[in-house]
Amino acid sequence: DTAVSQTPKYLVTQMGNDKSIKCEQNLGHDTMYWYKQDSKKFLKIMFSYNNKELIINETVPNRFSPKSPDKAHLNLHINSLELGDSAVYFCASSRGRREGEEEKLFFGSGTQLSVL
Amino acid sequence: GESVGLHLPTLSVQEGDNSIINCAYSNSASDYFIWYKQESGKGPQFIIDIRSNMDKRQGQRVTVLLNKTVKHLSLQIAATQPGDSAVYFCAENGGNEKLTFGTGTRLTIIP
Repeated sequence: DTAVSQTPKYLVTQMGNDKSIKCEQNLGHDTMYWYKQDSKKFLKIMFSYNNKELIINETVPNRFSPKSPDKAHLNLHINSLELGDSAVYFCASSRGRREGEEEKLFFGSGTQLSVL
Repeated sequence: GESVGLHLPTLSVQEGDNSIINCAYSNSASDYFIWYKQESGKGPQFIIDIRSNMDKRQGQRVTVLLNKTVKHLSLQIAATQPGDSAVYFCAENGGNEKLTFGTGTRLTIIP
């Protein structure tokens, strides 16, 4: 069973459209994340949710809206897609930082978004 | 802002040889470091981690070394295999609930 699964794996769309990427984790983790990886492989955090509550928002445009219906799901909705949104988006989860434990992230396989 | 960087963007190693991937970090408050491996078309996978109260940690064929004095982290892979070909990222946790990733090093194992 896939621990962190995201769909779709590929997403090709026109500029101006609205699209969503879904993510689910079956690890029982409390914290979920969205990362963006650009064409140079640079990974940058976008959002982090802990138990459905937003804890990190890294100056991402308002067009990006994460939604966490429960702690096992963190979906990413993007409005009015722009060319610069083309990238690979990774969902991840972790147990969350606790005393004596570390912030080890488990990543999904990525969604390659191409905006034409 | 503070960043995590790598000395070399690409590295080619003969199969069977050892490889060393280096990483420099600038956040002196970082207390936890991780190495990830990303194969083509996949998400990053955890390899090994180290806390700042340690200077060395070993796994299976991998060793992470941490030098806090010069803010340097390295990943050593012993007896490299074709399956080791990937992009390797170091990441640091500065205590603010997020990991900051370096720019990545592409390791190619030459048969």
